[in-house]
Amino acid sequence: DVKVTQSSRYLVKRTGEKVFLECVQDMDHENMFWYRQDPGLGLRLIYFSYDVKMKEKGDIPEGYSVSREKKERFSLILESASTNQTSMYLCASSWGQGHSPLHFGNGTRLTVT
Amino acid sequence: EDQVTQSPEALRLQEGESSSLNCSYTVSGLRGLFWYRQDPGKGPEFLFTLYSAGEEKEKERLKATLTKKESFLHITAPKPEDSATYLCAVQLRGGATNKLIFGTGTLLAVQP
Repeated sequence: DVKVTQSSRYLVKRTGEKVFLECVQDMDHENMFWYRQDPGLGLRLIYFSYDVKMKEKGDIPEGYSVSREKKERFSLILESASTNQTSMYLCASSWGQGHSPLHFGNGTRLTVT
Repeated sequence: EDQVTQSPEALRLQEGESSSLNCSYTVSGLRGLFWYRQDPGKGPEFLFTLYSAGEEKEKERLKATLTKKESFLHITAPKPEDSATYLCAVQLRGGATNKLIFGTGTLLAVQP
């Protein structure tokens, strides 16, 4: 089974802090994704990556950046956390260029105070 | 604008009471439609992919169908363990491969 592991289940940070969310997958998937999930808004794509050192903006990239230095690891960075970034963050990975489904981690619930 | 809408937002069923969840979409071109199940405190878990109108997929008590405008997730004789949020997502033709647009989900509660 594919395993996508997010380093923290819960995080509490202060406004203005730099925040790192880490994600590791163990199935050699090319593609990795960061979504945020908010009530009534569903899952929205922040950034994705097709390969090491490559990244593409999703639908809501403002206030975020990403890093993919190794194939198995995809990091989401909040340069200066704000309260409107309080959310559930979900990492996912998938194989190849076709219709392969996304495999999700269990999420990191981030609270910015 | 590409859009995915799920209904109802919430559904409460008695054990054994069959029903359907709806996912309607307006997109420039459909490459695939995905159904996921999400339990509280967990990430979404993949259920089905549908590619073309008329296609059906089944897994235990769940059956997913697809038309040109919508998909249904039929739940036959549900059990309490089927309680979860069900999400649908579409992959666009010609868009970034594997990028999905999600609906907001249907929260299903099955009472014993």
